[in-house]
Amino acid sequence: SQKIEQNSEALNIQEGKTATLTCNYTNYSPAYLQWYRQDPGRGPVFLLLIRENEKEKRKERLKVTFDTTLKQSLFHITASQPADSATYLCALALYNQGGKLIFGQGTELSVKP
Amino acid sequence: KAGVTQTPRYLIKTRGQQVTLSCSPISGHRSVSWYQQTPGQGLQFLFEYFSETQRNKGNFPGRFSGRQFSNSRSEMNVSTLELGDSALYLCASSRETSPQETQYFGPGTRLLVL
Repeated sequence: SQKIEQNSEALNIQEGKTATLTCNYTNYSPAYLQWYRQDPGRGPVFLLLIRENEKEKRKERLKVTFDTTLKQSLFHITASQPADSATYLCALALYNQGGKLIFGQGTELSVKP
Repeated sequence: KAGVTQTPRYLIKTRGQQVTLSCSPISGHRSVSWYQQTPGQGLQFLFEYFSETQRNKGNFPGRFSGRQFSNSRSEMNVSTLELGDSALYLCASSRETSPQETQYFGPGTRLLVL
């Protein structure tokens, strides 16, 4: 069956450390993988997109990797801050399915001062 | 540029009723997608509209329907509401219907079915 799983429901880290979130999928061949941030009571906000033939993408303190052999993406936040506390969602975008996104359950990140 | 707007923000209905939710995309965006978010199932794709045509559909019963108008605004309708339809309904817009497009989400409509 097709699945997309994020490593854990909650991740607690200390301010200044690097947060690493995992997204694994099975029986999908995504064209793109996207990461979103969602705060309570709000809609998701786009963070990064990586293509299937890209290994790594960076944006400021954010880094995403994509390994289509392992069927895994890692999302890193370096020098984390309490303001980074939120739920992070990975989403697959498939070929020939327009703008449809298939979301993981999300990982709730809490950064303690 | 104004973001995606959804109305109403909150709604309480009873079983058996029907409901219509509205979404206004970012100016210039022609694709509108709808998602249902629940604690148990997470974010699930309902359907996508582009140029007034449904382009993709998720695995939801026929009670869930939608449409898009010529100005790209979209509505979704749920008929014969069930308790399990209680959820946050999110609308997202993008410029085109493409997997590489960034989706811009609205704040959602929280529906409670009693």
